[in-house]
Amino acid sequence: GIQVEQSPPDLILQEGANSTLRCNFSDSVNNLQWFHQNPWGQLINLFYIPSGTKQNGRLSATTVATERYSLLYISSSQTTDSGVYFCAVGETSGSRLTFGEGTQLTVNP
Amino acid sequence: EAQVTQNPRYLITVTGKKLTVTCSQNMNHEYMSWYRQDPGLGLRQIYYSMNVEVTDKGDVPEGYKVSRKEKRNFPLILESPSPNQTSLYFCASSFVGQGRKDTQYFGPGTRLTVL
Repeated sequence: GIQVEQSPPDLILQEGANSTLRCNFSDSVNNLQWFHQNPWGQLINLFYIPSGTKQNGRLSATTVATERYSLLYISSSQTTDSGVYFCAVGETSGSRLTFGEGTQLTVNP
Repeated sequence: EAQVTQNPRYLITVTGKKLTVTCSQNMNHEYMSWYRQDPGLGLRQIYYSMNVEVTDKGDVPEGYKVSRKEKRNFPLILESPSPNQTSLYFCASSFVGQGRKDTQYFGPGTRLTVL
């Protein structure tokens, strides 16, 4: 099956800093999503981005499918950005999703 | 409000006592899925369903059953739970093959402890 690697595994920032999270995957995908799991365990979809670039407020994501990686950018980080960020990939739309192990982000005030 | 609901949210049970965790979505999604989340292992897919009466195994299906008799419901059944099934379980749903609408929406999670 597809292998998904996320880096870094842990990241500690001061409020206001910017960061880049990376997701590498081992095979072609038609489905790639970024999720945020907040400290209360809730999983929220951030982006559906099998290719290209998208932005939503302070967050943006870029997937370069031909090179098998995706990046999640967080600008002007806030304490509420803390939590675990997961990348998940799938070979086809709506089928099996394989998650990476996540990046644990801590934003300190 | 569009949502995925799971019940119960917390459950403590004993080895061998059959249990069902319910999952329901009100967004008319074709696709539904169950995941378990364990420390150090991330989220792993248990089963998924592309539509009514269509289910398939994910990465860790052993010890679990599912059914999809109605579009909105996708219960997870543990016929004979064992302690290694102690975990945090998530149900998710999405449309199929509609670009941005393939976004998966997750339920709040069910924390299961098997003694």
